[in-house]
Order: sequence, then structure tokens, then C-alpha cells
Amino acid sequence: GAVVSQHPSRVICKSGTSVKIECRSLDFQATTMFWYRQFPKQSLMLMATSNEGSKATYEQGVEKDKFLINHASLTLSTLTVTSAHPEDSSFYICSARKTGDLGGEQYFGPGTRLTVT
Amino acid sequence: AQSVTQLGSHVSVSEGALVLLRCNYSSSVPPYLFWYVQYPNQGLQLLLKYTSAATLVKGINGFEAEFKKSETSFHLTKPSAHMSDAAEYFCAVSDPNTGGFKTIFGAGTRLFVKA
Repeated sequence: GAVVSQHPSRVICKSGTSVKIECRSLDFQATTMFWYRQFPKQSLMLMATSNEGSKATYEQGVEKDKFLINHASLTLSTLTVTSAHPEDSSFYICSARKTGDLGGEQYFGPGTRLTVT
Repeated sequence: AQSVTQLGSHVSVSEGALVLLRCNYSSSVPPYLFWYVQYPNQGLQLLLKYTSAATLVKGINGFEAEFKKSETSFHLTKPSAHMSDAAEYFCAVSDPNTGGFKTIFGAGTRLFVKA
């Protein structure tokens, strides 16, 4: 159990357009989900913490108006990259924590490769 | 603030040799510690975790790690490397006082396995 999916796995968009990435916990409820960005050959950079039914908490330096996060249900969080630019091209990974789990473990999605042309 | 340092961005071993990936953490309290593995263009998979129980933790695929408070270390080992172990490995730390809420990842160590 504890499977997290992301859709799409890969997306190419034109500069100035918006792209939505979905993160779903398939077999568990997730009050908290996380969005990370990973540059080639680098570690994961936490962008924001998404809590079901409330506003996301963004890390310092992450533009909340550019990276819109919505966590409307216990199994779905979405990240929308608005007015995308080439510098937004990256690998975006989400993770989810099981509701009530105090063990700290996160379950990761397979990632979404975003390319902005 | 918590932090984690992985020593060595690249480690190369021969197939069948011991794998040792180093991780040191900084925390004012014993943290929750994790090792994750990432294959190319994929998400992360949990190998093992330490959450204040036994100091020697066994994980999947033959990996294990030992929590050493005196050395603030949580090194990952495997007795015999397999070609399929070639991947990126991340050490991570969470603060148990926050229910393991936010996790900080190390820079990662890429493991190469030579035939």
C-alpha cells in the first residue's frame, strides 16, 4: 500500500501558459502533502507544504502567486505553475504523509518533468 | 535548525563489494532519520528509517544503517553491492517534536557499481 501518483509524468508547454500537476494518494488519506523541485543532479528542494482544507505554507523564496497549490481533498493536491517560463523547467515531485502517522515517513510520487519552451 | 550532510557526492564500488554511504546530521534532539533511493526520472523510495527504536535499522534490498548519537551519524551499508543498486541515495532528517512534519534532505550520493 501507500501509493502516490502524479499526472502528467511529462509535460511540455509554451512560455506564458499555465500547467497543472496533480498528486494523488491512491490507497490512503493524506492530510499533508509536500511539493518539491529537483534540478538535474541535485537534491530535493521543498517548495511548499500542502494541508487539506487550508492554505499551503511556502518555503522562503518560493513565489506563492506563481506556484499555486490546492489541497481540496484528503487524496488530491494540485500544483499549478502560472505564466511558466523556461527557468521553471524542472522535475517536480510530490509526497504525502498518511493522516495520523507520526513516524515522519513520506510516500513519494514518480515525479513530473516540466519543460517550458 | 536541523541539517544533514552526505559525505561524497559520488561513490564507486565493484559488484560484490561493501557499500558504505555516509550521512551526518545536526539536531538538538535525536531526530527521525531516513534513507531514500532514487532511480533516474523517478520519485524516491524509502529504504529504511530510524525513529528512536533500535539503533541498527534494517531496510529493503539488504541495506541497513546504524544510528550513532555520539558521532551524529547514520551511515548506510550493504555487505555486497549489486548492479541494480546503482542509483542516487538521499539521507533525510525530520524533527520528531513536530511529528516528523518537515523533512530536510541531504545533497545526495550517487552510487556507481562496476562489473
